[in-house]
Amino acid sequence: EAQVTQNPRYLITVTGKKLTVTCSQNMNHEYMSWYRQDPGLGLRQIYYSMNVEVTDKGDVPEGYKVSRKEKRNFPLILESPSPNQTSLYFCASSYYRGHGIKDEQYFGPGTRLTVT
Amino acid sequence: ILNVEQSPQSLHVQEGDSTNFTCSFPSSNFYALHWYRWETAKSPEALFVMTLNGDEKKKGRISATLNTKEGYSYLYIKGSQPEDSATYLCAPEGNSSASKIIFGSGTRLSIRP
Repeated sequence: EAQVTQNPRYLITVTGKKLTVTCSQNMNHEYMSWYRQDPGLGLRQIYYSMNVEVTDKGDVPEGYKVSRKEKRNFPLILESPSPNQTSLYFCASSYYRGHGIKDEQYFGPGTRLTVT
Repeated sequence: ILNVEQSPQSLHVQEGDSTNFTCSFPSSNFYALHWYRWETAKSPEALFVMTLNGDEKKKGRISATLNTKEGYSYLYIKGSQPEDSATYLCAPEGNSSASKIIFGSGTRLSIRP
């Protein structure tokens, strides 16, 4: 079954304790992306990756890191989480059509993060 | 930054009625437009990816049109059903935004039985 998986689905942590949210897709997609969703602010892109070892900042990258060592995995790292990073996080992936155009994105189930 | 506007913000429609809403975006440097459907407590699901001016796409009772010259897309739902209740998001792609994807704030659709 084609899917994007994220772990953990729920996480409560304390300020400053490093954490990683994993994302994996089994569709051989080139493009992967992380979003956060906050009430009244919609979906905002954190980081994206065009392919292995190619990553770039989205609109809200501060406080996050990513890596793309394998095509299927795109972990999101919070080195020192703060309460303002409490949010719902989505990972997504898609084929890259070329000429700057992405195909439809497949979203993971989401990770609800609370930082106290 | 690619400015995206969706209107209306929310919409209440009687079951069985048809409805439509708008996504507006800068017409210069347009590459593609994505439409997504997002039900509460679920993940966004792709509806359409549109690239050509005049494009029309259809999936069941949902269809979309694209006007790249004036910078807008319409999403239509024919004969609304309760399961159509969701937030509908659009995300245009333009070369000025490189490979970023910027979503509109969405139109929240509620269907009254």
